[in-house]
Amino acid sequence: AQSVAQPEDQVNVAEGNPLTVKCTYSVSGNPYLFWYVQYPNRGLQFLLKYITGDNLVKGSYGFEAEFNKSQTSFHLKKPSALVSDSALYFCAVRVLLVGNTPLVFGKGTRLSVIA
Amino acid sequence: EPEVTQTPSHQVTQMGQEVILRCVPISNHLYFYWYRQILGQKVEFLVSFYNNEISEKSEIFDDQFSVERPDGSNFTLKIRSTKLEDSAMYFCASSAPDNLYGYTFGSGTRLTVV
Repeated sequence: AQSVAQPEDQVNVAEGNPLTVKCTYSVSGNPYLFWYVQYPNRGLQFLLKYITGDNLVKGSYGFEAEFNKSQTSFHLKKPSALVSDSALYFCAVRVLLVGNTPLVFGKGTRLSVIA
Repeated sequence: EPEVTQTPSHQVTQMGQEVILRCVPISNHLYFYWYRQILGQKVEFLVSFYNNEISEKSEIFDDQFSVERPDGSNFTLKIRSTKLEDSAMYFCASSAPDNLYGYTFGSGTRLTVV
């Protein structure tokens, strides 16, 4: 069975500082990894994905994530946080990319960027 | 940019009543999903749907739940007899045949069972 762990319920960071939101995964097979963001009273918005290739993937709003196979991690990063980045962030994994296998989500990490 | 549309945005219902949550997926998408998020908790998979039938469902998706694509555009989730613990945000999602970009989620329907 596939699973995702987000070890931090809350991450606080000062505006302008780098941020990291952690994610580790467990799958049998090749993982396809995703990050989604949820702003208050909104749906889940796709940020970025890792399918294959370069371990460092870049996504929307200046976010990036690094796939580390040996550590089974896919941490989300941004060099300089903005107050507007404050939201709930979800890491998700699938084993098969094509077809109807569902995304499995982590429990989410609330990011708070303080001015 | 194409969107997944969900209606209503908020529904309040009495325990034991039936509710139907509606979704209009992106028009060229072929795979459809329902997820739910109990307040402050993780996003949980309910069911996936392709070619007019359920592809996969979770343990949460018991006999009280059903899905339907009644026409070419709508995708509905029915809860036959709601329980208090069904109170949650329900998200619909759809994905394209090549599936490379993950899912597109709707804004959700907040269901409150009283």
